[in-house]
Amino acid sequence: KAGVTQTPRYLIKTRGQQVTLSCSPISGHRSVSWYQQTPGQGLQFLFEYFSETQRNKGNFPGRFSGRQFSNSRSEMNVSTLELGDSALYLCASSLQGAQGGYTFGSGTRLTVV
Amino acid sequence: DQQVKQNSPSLSVQEGRISILNCDYTNSMFDYFLWYKKYPAEGPTFLISISSIKDKNEDGRFTVFLNKSAKHLSLHIVPSQPGDSAVYFCAAHGSSNTGKLIFGQGTTLQVKP
Repeated sequence: KAGVTQTPRYLIKTRGQQVTLSCSPISGHRSVSWYQQTPGQGLQFLFEYFSETQRNKGNFPGRFSGRQFSNSRSEMNVSTLELGDSALYLCASSLQGAQGGYTFGSGTRLTVV
Repeated sequence: DQQVKQNSPSLSVQEGRISILNCDYTNSMFDYFLWYKKYPAEGPTFLISISSIKDKNEDGRFTVFLNKSAKHLSLHIVPSQPGDSAVYFCAAHGSSNTGKLIFGQGTTLQVKP
């Protein structure tokens, strides 16, 4: 079966702009989580959506938001981009946020200039 | 507050030998632990997991040990192969926080032929 698909793979944006990233989970998976990976902070949890509802949220400013659609596809949005938002953004899907069942996509590399 | 710690940034072992990667955690509410392998610019790949009710789980060359009293887990790879060279992350979550993984900083494993 198809894995977790993230688009686009690479993105370059200018400070102050906003960006939307997309994640298509494995078919049947209803939980989608988002993570930010940076060299200094490692992999940090952004938020999780389950059945179109945000179920968990990490410690990120309100500029970071997300949503999930009825087909479980998820988007995350970052507004008013800062240089420090440059990172690899990863999403993971699972059936219910179930133990051990998290499959990650290849990520979107965002560069803010 | 680093709830999951991997204190060794790197490890180098000879092909055929055992690789032991360590991870410590501070949150006693964690009840499930996972190990992921990651290559640059790719998403983490799930390796093996363990529930807090167990102290050992084995899958082929990979074994994870959990010492709850010490809040410590380790991943053993036997025998190590050059293809195992990657960054290894341990992660944890609590039953009330499914979908939210807390990651360690990662350990870079190099297996020399």
